[in-house]
Amino acid sequence: EDQVTQSPEALRLQEGESSSLNCSYTVSGLRGLFWYRQDPGKGPEFLFTLYSAGEEKEKERLKATLTKKESFLHITAPKPEDSATYLCAVQGVNGLKLSFGAGTTVTVRA
Amino acid sequence: NAGVTQTPKFRVLKTGQSMTLLCAQDMNHEYMYWYRQDPGMGLRLIHYSVGEGTTAKGEVPDGYNVSRLKKQNFLLGLESAAPSQTSVYFCASRMVRLNSYEQYFGPGTRLTVT
Repeated sequence: EDQVTQSPEALRLQEGESSSLNCSYTVSGLRGLFWYRQDPGKGPEFLFTLYSAGEEKEKERLKATLTKKESFLHITAPKPEDSATYLCAVQGVNGLKLSFGAGTTVTVRA
Repeated sequence: NAGVTQTPKFRVLKTGQSMTLLCAQDMNHEYMYWYRQDPGMGLRLIHYSVGEGTTAKGEVPDGYNVSRLKKQNFLLGLESAAPSQTSVYFCASRMVRLNSYEQYFGPGTRLTVT
């Protein structure tokens, strides 16, 4: 069974204070690892897909990296608008379903 | 493009009542999914569909039924609501394409069962 564990559960940052979120996973035949952003009261918003170890993707202040056992979401010089819950998910060999972690809630104070 | 839409946005039910949640997508996606999200538990798959007229059980299907009569719509039904079904429900869809597995989510339905 595919499993995803995210840490920490919550992260409080000062504006400009860079940090990283961790997503550890076990999956039978990784087809993709996904990062989503979720704002309070809204649905998850797709950010990145990573397909193989060593791959990196960037979007504004966010950078996602992937190894064979974990992924990191680096937030560089965060702003208050980066406050959200970040979800990690994996797609295994069956190609049909995603398995999600519980998320990391990031709060950035001005 | 509206993307994925869900109706209603909020609903309060009494134990034993029934209701249907509607999901619609205008992206011509083949696959559609229903999830529930509870604090500290992440998103859990209830049912999914790989095409019109087909459905399959996910991780937590008990107490729910689904139908996919049209490609663009996916309905989630609760026949006899229970307080344990209080949750936020999300619908998602994705295309069928090699190396393209990302799902796109709707805004959610917040359901309270008293």
